[in-house]
Amino acid sequence: GAGVSQTPSNKVTEKGKYVELRCDPISGHTALYWYRQSLGQGPEFLIYFQGTGAADDSGLPNDRFFAVRPEGSVSTLKIQRTERGDSAVYLCASSSSGLVTDTQYFGPGTRLTVL
Amino acid sequence: DAKTTQPPSMDCAEGRAANLPCNHSTISGNEYVYWYRQIHSQGPQYIIHGLKNNETNEMASLIITEDRKSSTLILPHATLRDTAVYYCIVRAHDAGNMLTFGGGTRLMVKP
Repeated sequence: GAGVSQTPSNKVTEKGKYVELRCDPISGHTALYWYRQSLGQGPEFLIYFQGTGAADDSGLPNDRFFAVRPEGSVSTLKIQRTERGDSAVYLCASSSSGLVTDTQYFGPGTRLTVL
Repeated sequence: DAKTTQPPSMDCAEGRAANLPCNHSTISGNEYVYWYRQIHSQGPQYIIHGLKNNETNEMASLIITEDRKSSTLILPHATLRDTAVYYCIVRAHDAGNMLTFGGGTRLMVKP
């Protein structure tokens, strides 16, 4: 079946603008994760959804970052007043039931560039 | 989660075994060792995990020392497609669902 998909694959924006990044998880997966990866570093956890609710948002860096998953499937990561330091690859992952032992399947990421 | 230490880069000849080390000297008794890899321009991919026994699957083998302070991921016959960054992650199953990635080892498989 289809894997995790993310759109757009690339996004270029200007400092101060608002952006939305979309994640389509594997069908039927109840758990969804967002990570951010800066150049040359490993991914950093941002937020974890179980169904429609954010079960853990401890990784969101500040209140400019917000994520939703209104129907428990597609998720959108929203960044307000973007800054150059927000430039990174934003990765989404899903797992079948949210058990910590479940494998997380990652999408290809969205590369965000803030000019 | 306990921290891990990995060499930043390694080379391996195609067809030979790739042995990727990971030190986790402060690992706790309830923490598992996980390995993921990330091929260029792709998201990370799960490889294998273990607690204290050696594990093997279709992708790799995981050897954990008896004191659990280090482990080795073995790719028995490396191919060019195994060129990637390999991440060793230590995590407890009661410490939250997130994965905590370090810097990883960049493995270059050469013809």
